[in-house]
Order: sequence, then C-alpha cells, then structure tokens
Amino acid sequence: NAGVTQTPKFRVLKTGQSMTLLCAQDMNHEYMYWYRQDPGMGLRLIHYSVGEGTTAKGEVPDGYNVSRLKKQNFLLGLESAAPSQTSVYFCASSKTLRETQYFGPGTRLLVL
Amino acid sequence: AQKITQTQPGMFVQEKEAVTLDCTYDTSDPSYGLFWYKQPSSGEMIFLIYQGSYDQQNATEGRYSLNFQKARKSANLVISASQLGDSAMYFCAMRDRTLYSGGGADGLTFGKGTHLIIQP
Repeated sequence: NAGVTQTPKFRVLKTGQSMTLLCAQDMNHEYMYWYRQDPGMGLRLIHYSVGEGTTAKGEVPDGYNVSRLKKQNFLLGLESAAPSQTSVYFCASSKTLRETQYFGPGTRLLVL
Repeated sequence: AQKITQTQPGMFVQEKEAVTLDCTYDTSDPSYGLFWYKQPSSGEMIFLIYQGSYDQQNATEGRYSLNFQKARKSANLVISASQLGDSAMYFCAMRDRTLYSGGGADGLTFGKGTHLIIQP
C-alpha cells in the first residue's frame, strides 16, 4: 500500500519552462490537494479537488493549473515557471472533508 | 489576520521531559477541525492528532494529547516523555469552511511551525 506518491522528487527548471507534477493515491480518497511550503511560511493551499473531474482554487492559485481526470491522480501544472515558484510541493488526500489529510513525500522544485 | 498562530519558533527540551507546543486559531465557522503534523528533517508530513470542534473530550494518541480550550481558541499539543526522535518541526493546522472567498474550501490552513529539539 503506497499511500500518496509524488513524481518527480526533485526538478530544476529554467524561467519560462513548463512542467507537470503528478500525485497518485491508492486509498480511493475523494479529496486531493496541492500545497507549497516555503521557508518560514508553513504550507499553503494551491488548488484542491473534491472528486474526479472537479478542481477549485486555494489560497495561492496564480501561476498553477490542475486537473483530476482520474480519481486516483491529481496533476499540478506550471505553464511558465518563475523563480518565485521555487518551493517544496506537497500533495495530500483525504477520504472525506472531516477526515485526516495524508501527505505525499514532496517534490523539491528549483526555478533558475 | 493569522488564522493559525504558533508563537514558539523554536524550543529546546531535555529528553524524557514533557513538551507543550502552543497553537491558537481564529475562525467564525462553528464546525472546524484542528490537526497537528510532524515534519522531521527528512521532509515528510506525518499526521499526529486530530480534534473536532464538537468533540467533548481532548484527543489523545499514544504520547500525544491535545489540550483543547475552545473558549480561548487554543489547541496545544502535549508530548509526554519526550524522545530524541521527537526532534522535528511541528505544525498546527485548521480545517474550516471560511478560508477563501465563496466559502467551501476544504483545505487546511497551517501555522508557521515550531522547531522542537530534544537534547540528551
């Protein structure tokens, strides 16, 4: 049982490049989330999904897009990366609104 | 305004002592949840304990307990008999439904964390 997995673990991009981060969960959870963690800031919600085919904006959505074509996968896209998007990105999932969110191991992204 | 406030950026504690990590929160939603996560130096986020706003009793999970004082909007984490392996960042987080414009956002709001170091 892998829980929540993220691909890739680490990536370096040049300003203006695009990339997609993949999150997968095998717990049949309805809810999935993308957060970013910056030094001294805690985690902040980027986008989330309450079920297959749905997405919604979180606290810091600008510069990111997401898609949830399959229940088990939640993709985070950066169309034109900026140095301000250098961060650690965490995916999480939960069965219901009220239940615990389980986190993936994180993706370290460096934008030069 | 800060939704979650953790006032202790760092703490040093002797091994085997009890530790209290402070967390205060702000919400107008009567139905909310409070979480504590541990982040060791390896980076993963590990769920520790959960308290719902309507729960009558304080949550406990092994050596972890949550001192929930609803009127004071306080949800402090207590670690009994600390161990060297408890050294990590600790984050308090809240789920409520008044986070963003339009309501209905189901993510968590995190505090900035407390860096706990257990000394032998």
